[in-house]
Amino acid sequence: KNQVEQSPQSLIILEGKNCTLQCNYTVSPFSNLRWYKQDTGRGPVSLTIMTFSENTKSNGRYTATLDADTKQSSLHITASQLSDSASYICVVFGGSQGNLIFGKGTKLSVKP
Amino acid sequence: ETGVTQTPRHLVMGMTNKKSLKCEQHLGHNAMYWYKQSAKKPLELMFVYSLEERVENNSVPSRFSPECPNSSHLFLHLHTLQPEDSALYLCASSQASGATYNEQFFGPGTRLTVL
Repeated sequence: KNQVEQSPQSLIILEGKNCTLQCNYTVSPFSNLRWYKQDTGRGPVSLTIMTFSENTKSNGRYTATLDADTKQSSLHITASQLSDSASYICVVFGGSQGNLIFGKGTKLSVKP
Repeated sequence: ETGVTQTPRHLVMGMTNKKSLKCEQHLGHNAMYWYKQSAKKPLELMFVYSLEERVENNSVPSRFSPECPNSSHLFLHLHTLQPEDSALYLCASSQASGATYNEQFFGPGTRLTVL
């Protein structure tokens, strides 16, 4: 079954600290993996898209990694800011019918 | 917002009401989508339209009725909803549907509460 699992479910960190969010998937065949940021009450906004051949991709303080062999991805946030408080959703495009498969998200709270 | 807009942002309705959600995209895209987002669950794809033709309907109850009059507008007509239909309804658009590197742009959503 094509699934995307994210951990942790929620995370609280202090402003200025780094953190890493995890995503494991069982989607096959795999096309690409996306990370979205969703602020409360808003729609998701794309942070990165990575294909099979890409191991890492950065977008400002956000760095995503992909290990297609172990089917794992991580999103690393450096020097967190209060505005980073949001849900981060891992999405895999793939499967036999070419679908977007969404994870449940990790809710990040950055405290002052 | 100039990308994908949704109205209304909040909606409270009774189970016997009829209402409609509206989505408009200003990106020149050819595909539009409706998603349902419930608490602690992944986004659920409801409908996909490509060039105004419905290409996917993920076993959504008939009390949800989509309409796509042109490539820039998408509606979701609601009637005789149930309390469990309360959720955030998200609209998205993309250059084309089904393309491998197909980035979707989301609207802000409509927070629906069914009493």
